[in-house]
Amino acid sequence: EVQLVESGGGLVQPGGSLRLSCAASGFTFSSYWMSWVRQAPGKGLEWVANIKQDGSEKYYVDSVKGRFTISRDNAKNSLYLQMNSLRAEDTAVYYCARIGSSGWYRVDYWGQGTLVTVSS
Amino acid sequence: NFMLTQPHSVSESPGKTVTISCTRSSGSIASNYVQWYQQRPGSSPTTVIYEDNQRPSGVPDRFSGSIDSSSNSASLTISGLKTEDEADYYCQSYDSSNWVFGGGTKLTVL
Repeated sequence: EVQLVESGGGLVQPGGSLRLSCAASGFTFSSYWMSWVRQAPGKGLEWVANIKQDGSEKYYVDSVKGRFTISRDNAKNSLYLQMNSLRAEDTAVYYCARIGSSGWYRVDYWGQGTLVTVSS
Repeated sequence: NFMLTQPHSVSESPGKTVTISCTRSSGSIASNYVQWYQQRPGSSPTTVIYEDNQRPSGVPDRFSGSIDSSSNSASLTISGLKTEDEADYYCQSYDSSNWVFGGGTKLTVL
């Protein structure tokens, strides 16, 4: 069974940093693109970043470029999101997601999400 | 970058059929696959349609997807509506390096 378990969310002040982690199990982690998708309270889904199987390609939504870094450790079956210079508008539930094997363009499994709150 | 526009909400009665649209602002809807995700209150999203019209295993055939190049839009159709279909539905597509989600449509089954 595919499982994606996020951790690392919490309350942080504007301008602060936070590192999210996602522990993957139930599949060969190193064979899949992975993604972070967020959802602000009461709002819709917003794609944040994608990373290729070996980490050689990374893509970000414009609003987080230069502030967020997606990374992975295939030996630890883990995905990460380093978030710096956080802003109030980054407040959201952050979902770790596995990208489908047929291509890099869709999610096939979602985690349960971790809440990040940016507030003073 | 392009946008995907969905109606904010739709409602229909149990047993009926509803269609949710997703219009691409620029670029051809047919150029990149469209996915549809269902999100029930308090839960993570799940895929109901991928690659325009493909259903994952376990998704009932009451759910179907299509694209219409003339209107540059994709559609999710749910037939034989059940109360359990009440949820938010999001379309999603992509271009060369970015993903885009539609704003979401709240489906009420009443």
